[in-house]
Amino acid sequence: DVKVTQSSRYLVKRTGEKVFLECVQDMDHENMFWYRQDPGLGLRLIYFSYDVKMKEKGDIPEGYSVSREKKERFSLILESASTNQTSMYLCASSLPGELTGGLAFFGQGTRLTVV
Amino acid sequence: QKEVEQNSGPLSVPEGAIASLNCTYSDRGSQSFFWYRQYSGKSPELIMSIYSNGDKEDGRFTAQLNKASQYVSLLIRDSQPSDSATYLCAVNIWTGGSYIPTFGRGTSLIVHP
Repeated sequence: DVKVTQSSRYLVKRTGEKVFLECVQDMDHENMFWYRQDPGLGLRLIYFSYDVKMKEKGDIPEGYSVSREKKERFSLILESASTNQTSMYLCASSLPGELTGGLAFFGQGTRLTVV
Repeated sequence: QKEVEQNSGPLSVPEGAIASLNCTYSDRGSQSFFWYRQYSGKSPELIMSIYSNGDKEDGRFTAQLNKASQYVSLLIRDSQPSDSATYLCAVNIWTGGSYIPTFGRGTSLIVHP
């Protein structure tokens, strides 16, 4: 069974803390993504990576950074957490091709609350 | 900005009816299209992919694609209350480094008994 696993299902952090969200996939996918999802705003792409050590900004990268040191692992970092980063964070992965790039597999999500 | 547009709904249909969900996209070069279902509090899961103009059927689900009109739709026949969810349309977009999905905001479907 293919899997994308996020390190935490629920997380509560204080304003100003540095926060790490981890994602691991076992499908040998080149593409990995971080999204946040808020009511009425849909899935918004924060960052994505199509290869080890490669990263590309998505639609809302401000306040976030990412790291991809190994193919199977993609980390999202909130440098200094703020209350407006309270959200559901979803990690996903896919193969890179023209027919497969959109075939994304999602992790279970991390509901982050910043207080 | 390459966009994918969906009516946010909610779309409310009675049990047993056909639910029709629509999506338009702006990138005329896109070749691959996907429908995801997301139950409340859960992650999106892929239910259909379509690559050629016309219809593609899978059980109670039919995806329809019209590239000339830049239009994708999903029909759900014999709708059940368990189909109540948000349906996300996704289009494959070339970023210069890879193909990645671009998602619409989703349409909320409610199937009432």
